[in-house]
Amino acid sequence: GAVVSQHPSWVICKSGTSVKIECRSLDFQATTMFWYRQFPKQSLMLMATSNEGSKATYEQGVEKDKFLINHASLTLSTLTVTSAHPEDSSFYICSARRQMNTGELFFGEGSRLTVL
Amino acid sequence: DAKTTQPPSMDCAEGRAANLPCNHSTISGNEYVYWYRQIHSQGPQYIIHGLKNNETNEMASLIITEDRKSSTLILPHATLRDTAVYYCIAPVLFGNEKLTFGTGTRLTIIP
Repeated sequence: GAVVSQHPSWVICKSGTSVKIECRSLDFQATTMFWYRQFPKQSLMLMATSNEGSKATYEQGVEKDKFLINHASLTLSTLTVTSAHPEDSSFYICSARRQMNTGELFFGEGSRLTVL
Repeated sequence: DAKTTQPPSMDCAEGRAANLPCNHSTISGNEYVYWYRQIHSQGPQYIIHGLKNNETNEMASLIITEDRKSSTLILPHATLRDTAVYYCIAPVLFGNEKLTFGTGTRLTIIP
């Protein structure tokens, strides 16, 4: 079946540094990818919608200058957490929709970010 | 905000059918119901989705009431590996699947 892969699966960084997380669709083309964030014992919260070749659309309350999203190809979207702080520590998850839509959204394995 | 209501937790004996209810009373005619599950520290896994007819696949069955205001996900023979948080997500417009997750149901399969 279709697979969405994220890298890295976990990362630890110092406060003030930037971290890039990649989301790849491995066997299909994805015109649209979504980025979610999940804090411990909470549900997934949608952060932004990433569209290939155009600017991402951010949900209310999500700072676009802090969470940079680039969807440069039909198989890759990246999320960069800039100037990370401990409150940015979270589980970041992406999902992707096939170009030929079958109605099924595929999720990556998630990337756990810990900011010291 | 999520527009579904699910019980926060349920237990089910291993080998028995697990029936997970969901209320989605605000759904309209062309909007879908999706079910996902999340095993601890993993990304959500797609289970099934439906519009108005009952659906079945290799993982589960989805029973949607005639008025479409509620549905039930059925895992026919639950195993320990089915322990997870199950999310019912509605309404979802086909082709615009910006999913809003609620709090889900934490299903625990008891040996």
